[in-house]
Amino acid sequence: SQKIEQNSEALNIQEGKTATLTCNYTNYSPAYLQWYRQDPGRGPVFLLLIRENEKEKRKERLKVTFDTTLKQSLFHITASQPADSATYLCALAGGFSGGYNKLIFGAGTRLAVHP
Amino acid sequence: GAVVSQHPSWVICKSGTSVKIECRSLDFQATTMFWYRQFPKQSLMLMATSNEGSKATYEQGVEKDKFLINHASLTLSTLTVTSAHPEDSSFYICSASRDSDAYEQYFGPGTRLTVT
Repeated sequence: SQKIEQNSEALNIQEGKTATLTCNYTNYSPAYLQWYRQDPGRGPVFLLLIRENEKEKRKERLKVTFDTTLKQSLFHITASQPADSATYLCALAGGFSGGYNKLIFGAGTRLAVHP
Repeated sequence: GAVVSQHPSWVICKSGTSVKIECRSLDFQATTMFWYRQFPKQSLMLMATSNEGSKATYEQGVEKDKFLINHASLTLSTLTVTSAHPEDSSFYICSASRDSDAYEQYFGPGTRLTVT
């Protein structure tokens, strides 16, 4: 069956350290994968998109890797800050709905950055 | 740019009544809008995809007669939960895409529906 898995356990790290979140998937061959940030009671906010032919993407303190052989994406936040505390969702292009790419979301990993 | 709003942000209704949720793209024209539902500590589940002026495409297991979607213009889509029941209580989130590939979706802030 098709699955997207993110660590359900919260990730607690110290301010200034690098946070690394994992997204694994099975039985998908996504053309791209995205990462979103979601705060409690709010909608997701788009962070980064990485395509299947890209190994790595960076944006400021964020870095995403995409290994289509391992079927895994890693999301890194360097020099983490308490303001980075949130739930991070990975989403992949998982087929079509209404003729458009539809996103399949993981359940998210909660990150808590402590001062 | 690329702001999406939802109204209301929360609503409480009695079982058996209908509730309408609006999703608007404020500063761009949305080729496509998507409606998701999210239960606590769970992932967003796509309910349906809507394109302006055409019928929505519903995901498997989503009742189209219960969750009515109208995409009247390039900036407005509405979701009506008809004859709501307590099990429909959830967080409903819309997103909008301004390109035909829908690579990047801009999400609204969500609507918390509680059915008593």
